[in-house]
Amino acid sequence: GQNIDQPTEMTATEGAIVQINCTYQTSGFNGLFWYQQHAGEAPTFLSYNVLDGLEEKGRFSSFLSRSKGYSYLLLKELQMKDSASYLCAVRVLDRGSTLGRLYFGRGTQLTVWP
Amino acid sequence: NAGVTQTPKFQVLKTGQSMTLQCAQDMNHEYMSWYRQDPGMGLRLIHYSVGAGITDQGEVPNGYNVSRSTTEDFPLRLLSAAPSQTSVYFCATQPRGGGLAFFGQGTRLTVV
Repeated sequence: GQNIDQPTEMTATEGAIVQINCTYQTSGFNGLFWYQQHAGEAPTFLSYNVLDGLEEKGRFSSFLSRSKGYSYLLLKELQMKDSASYLCAVRVLDRGSTLGRLYFGRGTQLTVWP
Repeated sequence: NAGVTQTPKFQVLKTGQSMTLQCAQDMNHEYMSWYRQDPGMGLRLIHYSVGAGITDQGEVPNGYNVSRSTTEDFPLRLLSAAPSQTSVYFCATQPRGGGLAFFGQGTRLTVV
């Protein structure tokens, strides 16, 4: 089976930096996604890592270490609109297949205070 | 370009009733899937399809059926609704190889 762990809740203040961690234990690992989900809405794509290292997209960065089964999402210059759930998802390739299924963590609810 | 369209957005069913949740996409993606999202449980895969005529089970398939007769449509059928199926359901599409997933807006289902 797939095991993906992330903290349930985090809080931070406007303008601060927050790091949301995700650890995973999977077979057939083929990439890690971060999604943002506001209450009552669908998840939307934030970032993707398939190789080790840091990917930066504006205020958001994501890091991956495949040997440690570890990723984090870094949010800088926090804004009130960043209050949302952040989902870590691992892409898994079935043996002998090009099919890649996504397995999601339970999400981290981030609250940004003024 | 609508992307992924789910209908209905809200539905209330009585225990034992059947219904179909619709999902349509216009992105020509091969891979389509259904997830349910429950509080504290994250997104769990119900069924998925890698192309027309091909479907398979995910993590929590019991009580649900799917079919894929066209690339565009992937309906999810609840055969006999149970209160345990109260959830928010998301349809998602992915391009060939199962990369980035695009989600529909969700269907909030309540079974009483």
